[in-house]
Amino acid sequence: DIQMTQSPSTLSASVGDRVTITCRASQSINRWLAWYQQKPGKAPKLLLYAASDLQSGVPSRFSGSGSGTEFTLTISSLQPDDFATYYCQQYEGYPSSTFGQGTRLDI
Amino acid sequence: EAQLVESGGGLVQPGGSLRLSCAASGFTFNNYAMSWVRQAPGKGLEWVSSITGSGDSKDYADSVKGRFTISRDNTKNTLNLQMDSLRAEDTALYYCAKDLYSGNYGDSFDIWGQGTLLTVSS
Repeated sequence: DIQMTQSPSTLSASVGDRVTITCRASQSINRWLAWYQQKPGKAPKLLLYAASDLQSGVPSRFSGSGSGTEFTLTISSLQPDDFATYYCQQYEGYPSSTFGQGTRLDI
Repeated sequence: EAQLVESGGGLVQPGGSLRLSCAASGFTFNNYAMSWVRQAPGKGLEWVSSITGSGDSKDYADSVKGRFTISRDNTKNTLNLQMDSLRAEDTALYYCAKDLYSGNYGDSFDIWGQGTLLTVSS
């Protein structure tokens, strides 16, 4: 099974900051990686897929990069609405997928 | 607008059974693979099971294989999860989720329901 490891587990930042979250896969997943945002009591929301493709309606301050085993999610200028938990998901392991353990982004 | 609404959660004793359902609307249901993803209280996301648009192929996480059965009724735009031999560790919020792209099997999930809560306890 493909394991996904996110870092850091918790991140404290301020409005306007640029933040980066890393996701590492235990084996190559090419670019089959997605990023989700989850707020308390809500379902996850797809932000990016195929490592760097922005889902429709998602602000352009969110961006993704990487391939193989190392990936990053960057938020260029944090807004108050961005404080949430972020998960990566690999879907190379057809059709099963694995999520990272999550990164909580705190004010 | 695409929408998923889960139902069927509740309190079940260990060893018991329960059937979850997910009603889909706003998209051509039989064109998309569908999945169940769960989240234990205060924990992260765990993929549980997926099924192709036609229902011909199904896959399960090792943690539920042999106990859970995924199915779909494309005439009623409904996804189901039959859960048997339930354990305390199955306690979670269960989400149904739609694949991003039509015809894919193994994809990111662009539409999620609000979740239905399963509690397994005596």
